[in-house]
Amino acid sequence: DAKTTQPNSMESNEEEPVHLPCNHSTISGTDYIHWYRQLPSQGPEYVIHGLTSNVNNRMASLAIAEDRKSSTLILHRATLRDAAVYYCILTQPMNRDDKIIFGKGTRLHILP
Amino acid sequence: SQTIHQWPATLVQPVGSPLSLECTVEGTSNPNLYWYRQAAGRGLQLLFYSVGIGQISSEVPQNLSASRPQDRQFILSSKKLLLSDSGFYLCAYKRGLTDTQYFGPGTRLTVL
Repeated sequence: DAKTTQPNSMESNEEEPVHLPCNHSTISGTDYIHWYRQLPSQGPEYVIHGLTSNVNNRMASLAIAEDRKSSTLILHRATLRDAAVYYCILTQPMNRDDKIIFGKGTRLHILP
Repeated sequence: SQTIHQWPATLVQPVGSPLSLECTVEGTSNPNLYWYRQAAGRGLQLLFYSVGIGQISSEVPQNLSASRPQDRQFILSSKKLLLSDSGFYLCAYKRGLTDTQYFGPGTRLTVL
């Protein structure tokens, strides 16, 4: 299975943008890039996903490198509620047996 | 809209006792269903997944088992709990043609 590499932890100031990197050098042509986040004592929450083009939604933006071997989750203006573990995952949603394998993710700390 | 339920929310069980955790999904049919476990301070570990009634795939050999007696019901069981079974158990579902997993609220299991 293709795997992803993320920094163990990052720190950012409140109300500033945050760029969370993810490397996936062995990504295949059919892999989607998904981001989830997990707040303390809760289940993971979907954030955003993409295939080739950059994506924006109300929560975040996803910037995907042209060669697709890396991507960056962008939180435009971090709040204390954004403190969580962020997971970058590759999936194959059109595969009926698709299953998500979670890595260790990046623990994001937001400083007030 | 779709929702996912898990119960109980918390559970304290003695070593050697049986276990039954239940997960149900509403508002969608024929979903893929997943059981994950998260030990304290650790990442999410995929335990089982199911693509249909009676179809269970195991990802990690252990003393746990899963069953899917109905389309939107997924059960995690054990005949004899171990101390190492303590953790946060999460159920998730994926709708047939979409590319996102949705997680339930989780069950926190403590084995004493």
